[in-house]
Amino acid sequence: GENVEQHPSTLSVQEGDSAVIKCTYSDSASNYFPWYKQELGKGPQLIIDIRSNVGEKKDQRIAVTLNKTAKHFSLHITETQPEDSAVYFCAASRDGNQFYFGTGTSLTVIP
Amino acid sequence: DTEVTQTPKHLVMGMTNKKSLKCEQHMGHRAMYWYKQKAKKPPELMFVYSYEKLSINESVPSRFSPECPNSSLLNLHLHALQPEDSALYLCASSIGNGYTFGSGTRLTVV
Repeated sequence: GENVEQHPSTLSVQEGDSAVIKCTYSDSASNYFPWYKQELGKGPQLIIDIRSNVGEKKDQRIAVTLNKTAKHFSLHITETQPEDSAVYFCAASRDGNQFYFGTGTSLTVIP
Repeated sequence: DTEVTQTPKHLVMGMTNKKSLKCEQHMGHRAMYWYKQKAKKPPELMFVYSYEKLSINESVPSRFSPECPNSSLLNLHLHALQPEDSALYLCASSIGNGYTFGSGTRLTVV
């Protein structure tokens, strides 16, 4: 089965700086890679995703990059704000219905 | 409606109780899921329903019993739980492009 590794497990940045979270996956058949943000007491929320036929996708201050050859993908958050503080999970899927999650990154943005 | 609604939000139950968790979505998603999440851990898949049929059971103990009465509803029946079953139980639905999660039910077994 798929194995998704995520680093770092915790990340602290100053407000306004950038944050980068990296994930690697093992199953070369995986072709869909979503990122979820989970705030305290809430369920995970999809924030951005990328499919294997695309190398990069951007949505305002967040972007995701994918390197299929190396089997890794990354989340980039620019101009971080305190409300970006949360736990972020990457995931991988080959069929869009069953997902394998990374272990999570707790991001703290320091005002 | 773009939400997955879970009830109750919090539940405390004794080890001999029987309770049910409910999940509802009206987005027309035909895949629905139950996940269990412990603190500071990723969600762990429990069950997958596809077109109202159970398609995946990740070796979940029989004290957890899922039910999908129709395409919009998903239940999780609980019986004789253990304290280690205390967790956040998340429902999700999908149409093949990522999950929409509910806010979860925080379950405490005493």
